[in-house]
Amino acid sequence: GDSVTQMEGPVTLSEEAFLTINCTYTATGYPSLFWYVQYPGEGLQLLLKATKADDKGSNKGFEATYRKETTSFHLEKGSVQVSDSAVYFCALWDKGSSYKLIFGSGTRLLVRP
Amino acid sequence: DVKVTQSSRYLVKRTGEKVFLECVQDMDHENMFWYRQDPGLGLRLIYFSYDVKMKEKGDIPEGYSVSREKKERFSLILESASTNQTSMYLCASSLSGPLSGNTIYFGEGSWLTVV
Repeated sequence: GDSVTQMEGPVTLSEEAFLTINCTYTATGYPSLFWYVQYPGEGLQLLLKATKADDKGSNKGFEATYRKETTSFHLEKGSVQVSDSAVYFCALWDKGSSYKLIFGSGTRLLVRP
Repeated sequence: DVKVTQSSRYLVKRTGEKVFLECVQDMDHENMFWYRQDPGLGLRLIYFSYDVKMKEKGDIPEGYSVSREKKERFSLILESASTNQTSMYLCASSLSGPLSGNTIYFGEGSWLTVV
């Protein structure tokens, strides 16, 4: 069945460092891909999305490109801030999985001043 | 902006109590979902609804029921709360299925503690 694999956390970076969080997926169809962010004690906020191959989603300095050939959707940011500290979830939504959003396990990011 | 509102952020209930978690969305979305989130287990789908009075079981429906009498409101019901239902509960909604670039939007979560 469909699945999402994220890199294990926590990821600890210094402020202004470059961020990559890896995400790969397995899907039977052509899913939409998402990154959600969860700040401490809060719900999930949509960070960015891409709906077809080679699309690039971007928001708040974060980017991710839908790579069908490598079945990946890695999250990147050129210069992280302390306020980016959160848990990041990669997810896919496939018509093959009907209504269910398939999540990765989440990656905790800690940015130190 | 889409708004998914969960009525209670923090609840403490006793074992055996009947618990209602309410969720309202303001964007006329057809689909609504209830997930629970637990450390080490990630997010798991409890139930979803694709229309008024329609519901489908998710991955972990045992011990829960849902109600969708109006399009904008989706309630999660714990008929007899147990301590293993202590968790963070997340409501979500979407316009329709995954085609056409639709997105699932989440509420802020409800922290339920059963003592």
